[in-house]
Amino acid sequence: GIQVEQSPPDLILQEGANSTLRCNFSDSVNNLQWFHQNPWGQLINLFYIPSGTKQNGRLSATTVATERYSLLYISSSQTTDSGVYFCAANYKLSFGAGTTVTVRA
Amino acid sequence: EAGVAQSPRYKIIEKRQSVAFWCNPISGHATLYWYQQILGQGPKLLIQFQNNGVVDDSQLPKDRFSAERLKGVDSTLKIQPAKLEDSAVYLCASSLIPRGDYGYTFGSGTRLTVV
Repeated sequence: GIQVEQSPPDLILQEGANSTLRCNFSDSVNNLQWFHQNPWGQLINLFYIPSGTKQNGRLSATTVATERYSLLYISSSQTTDSGVYFCAANYKLSFGAGTTVTVRA
Repeated sequence: EAGVAQSPRYKIIEKRQSVAFWCNPISGHATLYWYQQILGQGPKLLIQFQNNGVVDDSQLPKDRFSAERLKGVDSTLKIQPAKLEDSAVYLCASSLIPRGDYGYTFGSGTRLTVV
């Protein structure tokens, strides 16, 4: 099956900082999603982004399908952005191992 | 709109015992998924239902795990007998149809500890 790799594994930010999370996938995809898992374990769907760029508030995502990677941008980070960010490929959602983001006040 | 409901929230059992988890998806969502999330890892698909039929159970350890979705609504996942390595969070998710642009809604999960 498809392999999904995320980097970096951990990220510590000062409140207000910007950051970029990366997701590489081993094969072409028909679906690419970004999720946020909050410290209580709830997974929230952030973006459906098999290609192109989308923005939602301080978050934006870009997928370059031909080069098999996707990026998630967090701007002006807040403590509520803390948690684990996952990308997942294809309709059955093959997840990467996640990037743990900690935003310090 | 009510979310995906799961119960129990937590469960501790001894190895070789059996356990069952319940999931009620969002009303009208035909597709239901069960995932296993081991600490420090991303969720892994165990089984996908479309209405009350199984679409994919290739990663379900069928010697000990079983799942059903009667009447195409709520679903139960059972483990019998449990092993130590089954300790994980079991997440249920649903979608209107299995297409990414329709989104996925996850429940809060059941945290299973096998001792």
